[in-house]
Amino acid sequence: DVKVTQSSRYLVKRTGEKVFLECVQDMDHENMFWYRQDPGLGLRLIYFSYDVKMKEKGDIPEGYSVSREKKERFSLILESASTNQTSMYLCASNQQGSSAKNIQYFGAGTRLSVL
Amino acid sequence: DAKTTQPPSMDCAEGRAANLPCNHSTISGNEYVYWYRQIHSQGPQYIIHGLKNNETNEMASLIITEDRKSSTLILPHATLRDTAVYYCIVRVGGGAQKLVFGQGTRLTINP
Repeated sequence: DVKVTQSSRYLVKRTGEKVFLECVQDMDHENMFWYRQDPGLGLRLIYFSYDVKMKEKGDIPEGYSVSREKKERFSLILESASTNQTSMYLCASNQQGSSAKNIQYFGAGTRLSVL
Repeated sequence: DAKTTQPPSMDCAEGRAANLPCNHSTISGNEYVYWYRQIHSQGPQYIIHGLKNNETNEMASLIITEDRKSSTLILPHATLRDTAVYYCIVRVGGGAQKLVFGQGTRLTINP
């Protein structure tokens, strides 16, 4: 059974704190993604990675950075958390290549509140 | 990616078949139809996908019209745990592409 695990389901942080969100997948997938999901705005891509140490900006990278030191782990970092980063954060992974199975597998999500 | 249109909400009785429609009239020849769902406060879950033939797996069936301009997701025996928002997405195959969800259909299964 495929598995994408996010380290926390709920987090509460203070403005200005450095926040780490961790994601681990056990499917040997090359691609990993970080999205945020907000009511009325849908799913928005923050960053993705197609290989170890490789990263690409998504649609809303400002205020975030990422790290991929090992294939199975993709970390999202909020350098200095702000209240507008309060959101549901979703990690996903999938296989590389042009296969029709562009299926992304998601973690359960981390609901982050920045006070 | 082609645009999709889904009804905002639907109700279905427990144990009955839930049929969720999706219109994608601008679909191009190399685009697949994918369905995901998201149960409240959880991450999205892949359900099924297809190109032009009907598909079935352990979760659902996907019926695609011959002209490929619309499709229907069928949950054959809906349970309360199937209450979720269902998203229909049309896109080409391939790995490192973001998913873009529309508004989806909020399906409520009633006891």
